[in-house]
Amino acid sequence: RKEVEQDPGPFNVPEGATVAFNCTYSNSASQSFFWYRQDCRKEPKLLMSVYSSGNEDGRFTAQLNRASQYISLLIRDSKLSDSATYLCVVNLAGRRALTFGSGTRLQVQP
Amino acid sequence: EPEVTQTPSHQVTQMGQEVILRCVPISNHLYFYWYRQILGQKVEFLVSFYNNEISEKSEIFDDQFSVERPDGSNFTLKIRSTKLEDSAMYFCASSDRLQDPSYEQYFGPGTRLTVT
Repeated sequence: RKEVEQDPGPFNVPEGATVAFNCTYSNSASQSFFWYRQDCRKEPKLLMSVYSSGNEDGRFTAQLNRASQYISLLIRDSKLSDSATYLCVVNLAGRRALTFGSGTRLQVQP
Repeated sequence: EPEVTQTPSHQVTQMGQEVILRCVPISNHLYFYWYRQILGQKVEFLVSFYNNEISEKSEIFDDQFSVERPDGSNFTLKIRSTKLEDSAMYFCASSDRLQDPSYEQYFGPGTRLTVT
């Protein structure tokens, strides 16, 4: 089983749509959770950390369910500039290595 | 805004040659990392470095790899004898929270290594 699994994508959505990405992780010792964004041939950039109570940053909402080992990202009112690959990332308690999922590609169309 | 820088942006080398990839982490950061991403695949952790020694490494980081902080600003990744399968984008990252491993790791723009 993969350590971090994501929806395969690609997701093609019109501008203004709401889109949700899901992610599951296999190691229950995972402690910290993130969504990173990666544009084509660029470096990963932190979009948001994911907290147990769920958190929101503008149009982006992240949820964590530790019991199900499941993380989600909701993007509301999609913009063309949201087109990118979204990476689900976890790290284990006491470790600094980040474990990345393979990413879900989003294409927002006009 | 401070940023991680990496040089070169693209390195082409022949199989068996040694390469050194260079990174300048953000100046007040204390933890440094190397990751790699083979084209079309996920980002993979290689090594983390703190206080002039390796703190974690992955199975990928074998004897062919080494890291060094030769001075107060640079952080390098050396591959002693490159293989075709070392072709990838190599990302350097840094972070500054000693006590909080959940703190953001800032990634550099990467060095694309092509082994021929």
